[in-house]
Amino acid sequence: EAGVTQSPTHLIKTRGQQATLRCSPISGHTSVYWYQQALGLGLQFLLWYDEGEERNRGNFPPRFSGRQFPNYSSELNVNALELEDSALYLCASTPTVSSYEQYFGPGTRLTVT
Amino acid sequence: AQSVTQLDSQVPVFEEAPVELRCNYSSSVSVYLFWYVQYPNQGLQLLLKYLSGSTLVKGINGFEAEFNKSQTSFHLRKPSVHISDTAEYFCAVSPLNQAGTALIFGKGTTLSVSS
Repeated sequence: EAGVTQSPTHLIKTRGQQATLRCSPISGHTSVYWYQQALGLGLQFLLWYDEGEERNRGNFPPRFSGRQFPNYSSELNVNALELEDSALYLCASTPTVSSYEQYFGPGTRLTVT
Repeated sequence: AQSVTQLDSQVPVFEEAPVELRCNYSSSVSVYLFWYVQYPNQGLQLLLKYLSGSTLVKGINGFEAEFNKSQTSFHLRKPSVHISDTAEYFCAVSPLNQAGTALIFGKGTTLSVSS
């Protein structure tokens, strides 16, 4: 069974630009979570999608947004990039909305210069 | 609200020595507990979880953890570590009966195993 996949592996952007990160959950999983792992800040919850809807978001500004497609893959968009957005962005999926065990992808390393 | 404290940011040990990585949590409701491992330049892999039942939980790679409700702790142990166990370890909680709630993570403990 293929795990959670994320693309690209690395992304380098300039301050003020937009970044788009992609995630494909494990086949059959309907819920997708996004986390930010910034140096010194640990893992922080960004967004949760289930069945195509945004169900919850963490304490991040609106320039962090995303969507979930009918095939349950998901996209995270970060607008007006700031230097402090540099981080590893991790995606996780769960089989159903009531599942607690999250399966993580390898992450996308975003560097903002 | 929940919070997780990993008491040691770095733990250096020699190969074949035992190790304990400490985790304490704070929560006004009951929680599920998890330990994840992150190898360099990789995502998170689930080591073990406590959902209910026996408070001693066994996971992958020879790790185990014990849930202590009175001390609100979930310490991770391994009797004999290998060089390949060098990684960052994260303790996480999720409140009971609130499916869809994001995991709350500790800041992580870097385990460095040397020969």
